[in-house]
Amino acid sequence: AQTVTQSQPEMSVQEAETVTLSCTYDTSESNYYLFWYKQPPSRQMILVIRQEAYKQQNATENRFSVNFQKAAKSFSLKISDSQLGDTAMYFCAFMKHRGGADGLTFGKGTHLIIQP
Amino acid sequence: ETGVTQTPRHLVMGMTNKKSLKCEQHLGHNAMYWYKQSAKKPLELMFVYSLEERVENNSVPSRFSPECPNSSHLFLHLHTLQPEDSALYLCASSPSRGLETQYFGPGTRLLVL
Repeated sequence: AQTVTQSQPEMSVQEAETVTLSCTYDTSESNYYLFWYKQPPSRQMILVIRQEAYKQQNATENRFSVNFQKAAKSFSLKISDSQLGDTAMYFCAFMKHRGGADGLTFGKGTHLIIQP
Repeated sequence: ETGVTQTPRHLVMGMTNKKSLKCEQHLGHNAMYWYKQSAKKPLELMFVYSLEERVENNSVPSRFSPECPNSSHLFLHLHTLQPEDSALYLCASSPSRGLETQYFGPGTRLLVL
């Protein structure tokens, strides 16, 4: 079974700063996907970024980028030029390639607060 | 508009009631999922459907009963629930099972009294 650990229950930064959210995972799989989802107060779960384990290049999506370290089983999310609208719960998630009945395995989340 | 809708958005029910949650996806996906989000716990996968075929998840109590009449609709039938079943129930869909990104609906906030 896979596990996903997010060690920062809450983080707070000033608007326009850069913030990094950490995520580690444990798996015996060699081929898998990693995701960061955002859940604002509206509770809608929104995909932020996705990384395929077989790709060495780190995924980027505008102000969001990841640092994927496969050997260390680490998958951190960097948010540049943070905005008030980035305030939300952020969940790291794992999915096996051809995940079958397992679906997504989520961490407990990090509550990110962007201060004006 | 995410393409995945859920109704109702909020539901209060007694332990002897029977109710159903509905999920509809407008994305042409072939796989649908139910997740449970409880306070202070990670999201838990409850059920997976792929091309209307259910993938068993033995850890879910029988008081939760899923139904997938077609690839666009997914239901979660609830009966004789317990207060600890109070949670946010999220539906998701993906183009196929286990290969693609899952897209989530807004959830149904359930309170069991």
